[in-house]
Amino acid sequence: QLQLQESGPGLVKPSETLSLTCTVSGGSISSSSYYWGWIRQPPGKGLEWIGSIYYSGSTYYNPSLKSRVTISVDTSKNQFSLKLSSVTAADTAVYYCARDIPSYSRPPYCSSTSCYMGGWFDPWGQGTLVTVSS
Amino acid sequence: DIQMTQSPSSLSASVGDRVTITCQASQDISNYLNWYQQKPGKAPKLLIYDASNLETGVPSRFSGSGSGTDFTFTISSLQPEDIATYYCQQYDNLPPIFGQGTRLEIK
Repeated sequence: QLQLQESGPGLVKPSETLSLTCTVSGGSISSSSYYWGWIRQPPGKGLEWIGSIYYSGSTYYNPSLKSRVTISVDTSKNQFSLKLSSVTAADTAVYYCARDIPSYSRPPYCSSTSCYMGGWFDPWGQGTLVTVSS
Repeated sequence: DIQMTQSPSSLSASVGDRVTITCQASQDISNYLNWYQQKPGKAPKLLIYDASNLETGVPSRFSGSGSGTDFTFTISSLQPEDIATYYCQQYDNLPPIFGQGTRLEIK
């Protein structure tokens, strides 16, 4: 049974970089069938996709966060990571990692270098609250 | 970005009731629409993908329908364990966008 677990500091100072890691167990992050994503949820609010990564390292980011986000993968550790720079109080949220399952019923979104298959997220990690405060 | 509007934002119903939640997209998204359940303090769980396909292991009282811009999520007979917030999510366009959620309570 695939499980995901987020880890990282629960408190980050404004203007600093938020760093989280997602450890995948019960399956290989190197599977060619899936992407791996980060989604966040501010307290009492809705869900926002941050971005996703393929095991090869190809990344896809939400344009609203793209200038501050870096997602990376370490296949040797079966982990993928999130870095969000220049954080403010608005970045306070529960951060979830999830398997990003592609839907082959829809044509992929392709850039000049790679293609991303949209789809759904399942399963999710339990989430970790990150508070941005001095 | 595509806008996803769920209604109602909250609803109260009795055990055994039929419950319906709607999700409207700001443009045609075909059937590229998923539904999730989030219980208090927990991570979201996928219930339905591609508008009407029930995820493996999800009880058959949950169902989804629709295409284009208008979608419906239904619980045929509300159970106490269904208390949660429900979200729709489109993936026709990037970025994937979630609806604002519908909070379901027991009357």
